[in-house]
Amino acid sequence: DADVTQTPRNRITKTGKRIMLECSQTKGHDRMYWYRQDPGLGLRLIYYSFDVKDINKGEISDGYSVSRQAQAKFSLSLESAIPNQTALYFCATSDYRANYGYTFGSGTRLTVV
Amino acid sequence: GQQVMQIPQYQHVQEGEDFTTYCNSSTTLSNIQWYKQRPGGHPVFLIQLVKSGEVKKQKRLTFQFGEAKKNSSLHITATQTTDVGTYFCAGRTNAGKSTFGDGTTLTVKP
Repeated sequence: DADVTQTPRNRITKTGKRIMLECSQTKGHDRMYWYRQDPGLGLRLIYYSFDVKDINKGEISDGYSVSRQAQAKFSLSLESAIPNQTALYFCATSDYRANYGYTFGSGTRLTVV
Repeated sequence: GQQVMQIPQYQHVQEGEDFTTYCNSSTTLSNIQWYKQRPGGHPVFLIQLVKSGEVKKQKRLTFQFGEAKKNSSLHITATQTTDVGTYFCAGRTNAGKSTFGDGTTLTVKP
């Protein structure tokens, strides 16, 4: 089983719909992140959480919300999806120092029509 | 805020040629990490550099961290088709936040 699991892998949704992307991890890491990837724009941080009671906005948090349900689970919600939120979304985890890097999930490809 | 710029955006090489991608930060970094993302895949951690002027090697890959800890490079010697993908740097500040560069996408022609 993968260390970081994202569901769903692919999703097509309509404009205005609420959608939740889920992430679970077996790494035992405290820190979890949500990134968005668009062609040519690299990885942009949406939200991050350093532990269950800690939630922080990243550089592009508008239109998104998150929930850290447990140490191992971190979900991302789009309250009212819009077409420019079409992107590849990655969940990642790290330990405190991240000396061994971030561990990424396989990604969720979201299309908003 | 912190900016991390990576060049070039794309690089096309003939198999056997060398490849280099460069990463430059607007602020001094505590460390820099490099990742590889294969086509259709997710970023995978390659290495972390911490010390000023540090050089690390992984087989045909050579990673350098600048003396001022504001720039870094990844050099691949004699590229192979298995090297294709996008290479990202991620610069981490003393505040504990990491910012990814936009990546360099490498294609290798057999």
